[in-house]
Amino acid sequence: AQTVTQSQPEMSVQEAETVTLSCTYDTSESNYYLFWYKQPPSRQMILVIRQEAYKQQNATENRFSVNFQKAAKSFSLKISDSQLGDTAMYFCARGGGSNYKLTFGKGTLLTVNP
Amino acid sequence: DAGITQSPRHKVTETGTPVTLRCHQTENHRYMYWYRQDPGHGLRLIHYSYGVKDTDKGEVSDGYSVSRSKTEDFLLTLESATSSQTSVYFCAISESGTGGTDTQYFGPGTRLTVL
Repeated sequence: AQTVTQSQPEMSVQEAETVTLSCTYDTSESNYYLFWYKQPPSRQMILVIRQEAYKQQNATENRFSVNFQKAAKSFSLKISDSQLGDTAMYFCARGGGSNYKLTFGKGTLLTVNP
Repeated sequence: DAGITQSPRHKVTETGTPVTLRCHQTENHRYMYWYRQDPGHGLRLIHYSYGVKDTDKGEVSDGYSVSRSKTEDFLLTLESATSSQTSVYFCAISESGTGGTDTQYFGPGTRLTVL
């Protein structure tokens, strides 16, 4: 089975500091997409950022950026200037292939401390 | 935010009873999905739809059926609920679905407890 692995079940960071969440994946597809979703205590799944595999440039969205290493099949999320509202479960997901599903990692629980 | 609602938001039922969860969207997106979320598993796809009356199975489809008679509604049915189906269920939509490359937007989720 093609998997997505998040090796850090839990992480914590001080407010205003930077934190990096790790994600590795496997795929045999040449065209695929990668996503980070955030799930705060409200349980809503919120798209944070998306990366197209054919693009070499790393995606950025305000304080969120990714480090996409295609050869290593690595897709980490960097959160700069962490805020209390960033406290959430973060899921890495891969899309692409012969079906329509997203394959999710098991998540990393990030706590931002004041 | 994408216009996706799920009903009910919470449900408690007993083993052996039928249960139907509803997903409604106002975005006119063609693709709709049902996922379940369980601790230690992330989200897993149950069924998806690529158009009215067009559906297919995901990776954990046993014990579930779906129907889509209108673009805006996607129903998930548990014919005879079991305790293993206690979970949080998410509906998602995407404008296109080609190879999972399109962004999926999620509804607020339904917490189902089967006693």
